[in-house]
Amino acid sequence: EPEVTQTPSHQVTQMGQEVILRCVPISNHLYFYWYRQILGQKVEFLVSFYNNEISEKSEIFDDQFSVERPDGSNFTLKIRSTKLEDSAMYFCASSGFSSYNEQFFGPGTRLTVL
Amino acid sequence: AQSVAQPEDQVNVAEGNPLTVKCTYSVSGNPYLFWYVQYPNRGLQFLLKYITGDNLVKGSYGFEAEFNKSQTSFHLKKPSALVSDSALYFCAVRDMDMDSNYQLIWGAGTKLIIKP
Repeated sequence: EPEVTQTPSHQVTQMGQEVILRCVPISNHLYFYWYRQILGQKVEFLVSFYNNEISEKSEIFDDQFSVERPDGSNFTLKIRSTKLEDSAMYFCASSGFSSYNEQFFGPGTRLTVL
Repeated sequence: AQSVAQPEDQVNVAEGNPLTVKCTYSVSGNPYLFWYVQYPNRGLQFLLKYITGDNLVKGSYGFEAEFNKSQTSFHLKKPSALVSDSALYFCAVRDMDMDSNYQLIWGAGTKLIIKP
């Protein structure tokens, strides 16, 4: 069964450093998403991406964040200068031919900023 | 503003008994509702969804959910709980009437513990 994969599973970085979180969505899906979950808190939407551009973003997704689909298979989230409060589990998701299809999630990347 | 409430942090059920995990929502338009399950150290797995039609929707692993428009609820149910159902359950909503709104709004999650 096709699934969304994410690498790395755990990333530890120093405050101020850049990180890139990688995702491989399900191959025939057209819509891509990033969410985050700070420990003990709700899942929060960051950004959605369709047709090679951002379709929607939340207030969390400020200038420090960017997304890219560099090669037609990977979908990346970059944080330019990490802060302590960026420590969270980051989930990538994808959905199929319509944005009304259910979103399928990857296992997540745990980001720890020291 | 869109929101989802899961009023119970934890639900305890004996194996073999029916279970209910509660969810209420608030959207300005018509809701598009989901349940996801999260096992320890795993991602969010889709269980079921409601878009339109029959108010009772059936999903994976014997789960079902009932959409109640008047009560703005979408409670998750299963007739007979298994120990393996123990996990964290999330309810999520999207406002169908907002074409540019792709995001899911999530509840805080309910920890379901099934005791043998």
